[in-house]
Amino acid sequence: GENVEQHPSTLSVQEGDSAVIKCTYSDSASNYFPWYKQELGKGPQLIIDIRSNVGEKKDQRIAVTLNKTAKHFSLHITETQPEDSAVYFCAASRGGTNAGKSTFGDGTTLTVKP
Amino acid sequence: EPEVTQTPSHQVTQMGQEVILRCVPISNHLYFYWYRQILGQKVEFLVSFYNNEISEKSEIFDDQFSVERPDGSNFTLKIRSTKLEDSAMYFCASSEPRGTEAFFGQGTRLTVV
Repeated sequence: GENVEQHPSTLSVQEGDSAVIKCTYSDSASNYFPWYKQELGKGPQLIIDIRSNVGEKKDQRIAVTLNKTAKHFSLHITETQPEDSAVYFCAASRGGTNAGKSTFGDGTTLTVKP
Repeated sequence: EPEVTQTPSHQVTQMGQEVILRCVPISNHLYFYWYRQILGQKVEFLVSFYNNEISEKSEIFDDQFSVERPDGSNFTLKIRSTKLEDSAMYFCASSEPRGTEAFFGQGTRLTVV
């Protein structure tokens, strides 16, 4: 089955700096890669996703890159703000009609210091 | 904005008891999922459900677990005889007919004592 590894497990940055979280996956059939933000006591919230036919996607301060050959993808957050502090999960899925069935990474606890 | 709702938010049960966790998916979604998250660990897939049947399940989803869509709006997860190790957050999720991204509920914290 799919195995997703995520690094780092914790990340602390100063407000305004950039944060980068990296993931690798093992299943070459995976073609949909969502990123979730989880705040304390809440469920995972989709913040951005990328499909295998795209190398990069950007949404305001958040961008995701995908290297399908190397089987890794990354989340980039620029101009971080204290409200970006949360646990971030990457995930991989075979997409299609079962795209909601994802394998999650271990999570990265991001702390943005004011 | 439509959202997935789960009840109860917290359930405490004695070991060996049956529990039913309830979810109301987003109304036009047709794919439904249960995930669990043991405290401090990753989110783990349990089961996916489509067209009134299980489409996929993980090794965690053994005979103690079952899912049901009893009517047009609810989606339930039943644990027949709870164990201490079932203590976790349980998340319901649903996705659109095209089967794209999943939207998660707020979760039910299950504590087995």
